[in-house]
Amino acid sequence: QQQVKQSPQSLIVQKGGISIINCAYENTAFDYFPWYQQFPGKGPALLIAIRPDVSEKKEGRFTISFNKSAKQFSLHIMDSQPGDSATYFCAATLSGAGSYQLTFGKGTKLSVIP
Amino acid sequence: GAVVSQHPSRVICKSGTSVKIECRSLDFQATTMFWYRQFPKQSLMLMATSNEGSKATYEQGVEKDKFLINHASLTLSTLTVTSAHPEDSSFYICSAMPGGYEQYFGPGTRLTVT
Repeated sequence: QQQVKQSPQSLIVQKGGISIINCAYENTAFDYFPWYQQFPGKGPALLIAIRPDVSEKKEGRFTISFNKSAKQFSLHIMDSQPGDSATYFCAATLSGAGSYQLTFGKGTKLSVIP
Repeated sequence: GAVVSQHPSRVICKSGTSVKIECRSLDFQATTMFWYRQFPKQSLMLMATSNEGSKATYEQGVEKDKFLINHASLTLSTLTVTSAHPEDSSFYICSAMPGGYEQYFGPGTRLTVT
């Protein structure tokens, strides 16, 4: 059973446009929601993260929107650039019992075209 | 800050041999490290949770006698793939937690078993 569903699987955006990636989760006990960016052949890099007591968090061109009642969260990349072309993973953590294990979505391959 | 390294970045070994992969937190101490496996164009699959000074906790379906994990210090965890076979070829990634919720990932190790 996939606990974090991510869409779309792939996304093509024009340079300067807005990239939007969505995730939905099932377990209401999740209490930390990070987004990771991964380039081919590299490890994932933590991009931005949010706790469920906040509805939005912005860092530079990256914004997370969080809807607790709908159990959904999304990543918005403003003014998308070719250098943003990568695979993006949403994730969720259940900190109860101190495990901090990440449950990942399946990833979205973003291509930003000039 | 929060830099995680892995060594080697690439390794090719013959079937039946063992390979050791090191994961180091360079600028912080990590009581907990995680080991993941990633197949091409897929998400990260958690293999095990490594806690300093104690036995690793393996995910269901991961053979603990095949994937030996040692977390001997607060900055080093090792994954040894024993008696490697071609089906063990994969991208192995570790992550470490400096405290709180954030997990920082290493650059990954590409293992090819011939």
